[in-house]
Amino acid sequence: TQLLEQSPQFLSIQEGENLTVYCNSSSVFSSLQWYRQEPGEGPVLLVTVVTGGEVKKLKRLTFQFGDARKDSSLHITAAQPGDTGLYLCAGAGTSGTYKYIFGTGTRLKVLA
Amino acid sequence: EAGVAQSPRYKIIEKRQSVAFWCNPISGHATLYWYQQILGQGPKLLIQFQNNGVVDDSQLPKDRFSAERLKGVDSTLKIQPAKLEDSAVYLCASSEAGPSYEQYFGPGTRLTVT
Repeated sequence: TQLLEQSPQFLSIQEGENLTVYCNSSSVFSSLQWYRQEPGEGPVLLVTVVTGGEVKKLKRLTFQFGDARKDSSLHITAAQPGDTGLYLCAGAGTSGTYKYIFGTGTRLKVLA
Repeated sequence: EAGVAQSPRYKIIEKRQSVAFWCNPISGHATLYWYQQILGQGPKLLIQFQNNGVVDDSQLPKDRFSAERLKGVDSTLKIQPAKLEDSAVYLCASSEAGPSYEQYFGPGTRLTVT
């Protein structure tokens, strides 16, 4: 069974600080996505990474896919209160069935 | 473009009762997913449809849960009878079939079983 472990599970920081969230697995994924979910809403896709070693930037967010396509990280620079939410990684298997395994989630709170 | 629609948004039932959730995916999306999300956790896939066929239902508790996708478009998820541990948010998502794999989620239905 494929599992995706995220760390940390909870994170509370002050506005302006930097942070990194990790997503780790022993399985290889064909692609990996990061989502942000706010209370009462469904997850919203932030980015998809598909190539080992790939780095993508979305404003203050930097996403990296591990060389072996087993892990990923999300780095936020100068966090803002609007970044508060549940961050989820999701890996797509290599079987071609477009099945996603979601990570355990990281709940981020950015204090003003 | 309209997003994924789900109804109802909230439902409270007593244990052993039955409940049904409805999902209307984005037009043209061949793949539809139902997820269960326990509070504070990541979503867990219950069932995945490709058009109107089931691709994966390995984590669906088939003794109480059932799902169908009518004509490859709308879908319903039913629980009968409900248990206390079924309290969760039920999320529907859809995506195009293909290597993009980008899922679009609905707002979810929050189920409380008392």
